[in-house]
Amino acid sequence: DVKVTQSSRYLVKRTGEKVFLECVQDMDHENMFWYRQDPGLGLRLIYFSYDVKMKEKGDIPEGYSVSREKKERFSLILESASTNQTSMYLCASSLVTYAEAFFGQGTRLTVV
Amino acid sequence: AQSVSQHNHHVILSEAASLELGCNYSYGGTVNLFWYVQYPGQHLQLLLKYFSGDPLVKGIKGFEAEFIKSKFSFNLRKPSVQWSDTAEYFCAVNAQAGYSTLTFGKGTMLLVSP
Repeated sequence: DVKVTQSSRYLVKRTGEKVFLECVQDMDHENMFWYRQDPGLGLRLIYFSYDVKMKEKGDIPEGYSVSREKKERFSLILESASTNQTSMYLCASSLVTYAEAFFGQGTRLTVV
Repeated sequence: AQSVSQHNHHVILSEAASLELGCNYSYGGTVNLFWYVQYPGQHLQLLLKYFSGDPLVKGIKGFEAEFIKSKFSFNLRKPSVQWSDTAEYFCAVNAQAGYSTLTFGKGTMLLVSP
């Protein structure tokens, strides 16, 4: 079974802090994704990566950046956290971009 | 760009009732279609998928979905729901092209009362 592991289930950060969300997958998948999940809005794509050191903006990249130095690891960075970034963040991976994605447990981030 | 519309945000059913959740997508080309489910406190998991072939696909836990190309629809069905089906359901679409990514609908929260 594919396993996508996010480093934290819950995080509380202060406004203006730099925040790192880490994600690791164990199935040698080429593609990794960061989504944000908000009630009534579904899942919205922040960034994705189809190869090491490659990244592409999704639908809502503003205020975020990503890093993929190794194939198995994909990090989401909030350069200066703001209260409107309080959300559930989901990491996912897939073998190819048009195949099904496998999701981690999510990180619930609260910015105060 | 593709988009997905789920017809109902909240559905409340009694156990043993039949379920149909609507999903429509917009995209001019060939697509892959998915239904994901998120049980309370759990991660998002795949319920079923359609890539090609028989438009009626069967998934886990007795769920099925039918792809109707002419209607751009991929509705999810279950003949008899159980209390354990209480969850949020997401329809998703992915174009069969290049670096296309999954686009999700806004989700339908299903509450099944015992």
